[in-house]
Amino acid sequence: QVQLQQWGAGLLKPSETVSLTCAVYGGSFSGYYWNWIRQPPGKGLEWIGEINHSGSTNYNPSLKSRVTISVDTSKKQFSLKLSSVTAADTAVYYCARVRQSVVRWFDPWGQGTLVTVSS
Amino acid sequence: DIQMTQSPSSLSASVGDRVTITCRASQSISTYLNWYQQKPGKAPKFLIYAASSLQSGVPSRFSGSGSGTDFTLTISSLQPEDFATYYCQQSYDTSYTFGQGTKLDIK
Repeated sequence: QVQLQQWGAGLLKPSETVSLTCAVYGGSFSGYYWNWIRQPPGKGLEWIGEINHSGSTNYNPSLKSRVTISVDTSKKQFSLKLSSVTAADTAVYYCARVRQSVVRWFDPWGQGTLVTVSS
Repeated sequence: DIQMTQSPSSLSASVGDRVTITCRASQSISTYLNWYQQKPGKAPKFLIYAASSLQSGVPSRFSGSGSGTDFTLTISSLQPEDFATYYCQQSYDTSYTFGQGTKLDIK
């Protein structure tokens, strides 16, 4: 059974960079897209972007200028960097898996990391 | 981006009730529609894919239907553990988008 475990800094100041990592335990690393999704407190879900084992990425156009997703296949890990953060970037950030197929869905998910941006 | 709109935003119901949540896409997405359940402080749980296919292990009281732009999630007989927030999500466009959520609470 595949499990995703994520970690990263939880408190940032405005203009700093969010840096989170998600590790994949069990199952294959290839054949999937590895995603980041966020959820501001009390609000809905926003897709951030994804990467596959080859390093091919897709980003949410609204965040693309500030987002970098990278992969380390040797460690079965992928990472998110979101630069120039403001209070609007305060959210729980989740990692999640999507199978590379015609029909796609997010499953499983990581446990979530609360990132707070405050001066 | 494809906009996903859920209704209602919140819903009060009792154990044993039948409830239906609606999700509408801003353009046709065929059946590329998924549903998730989220409880407070937890990651979303995947329930239904391709509009109507139940993920393994999900109780059969959950069902989904629809195609094109209009979709529904139905819970046939609410159980105490079903009180949560539900989200739809389109995968027609790989710039994935979610509905704003429907909070289902106890009447």
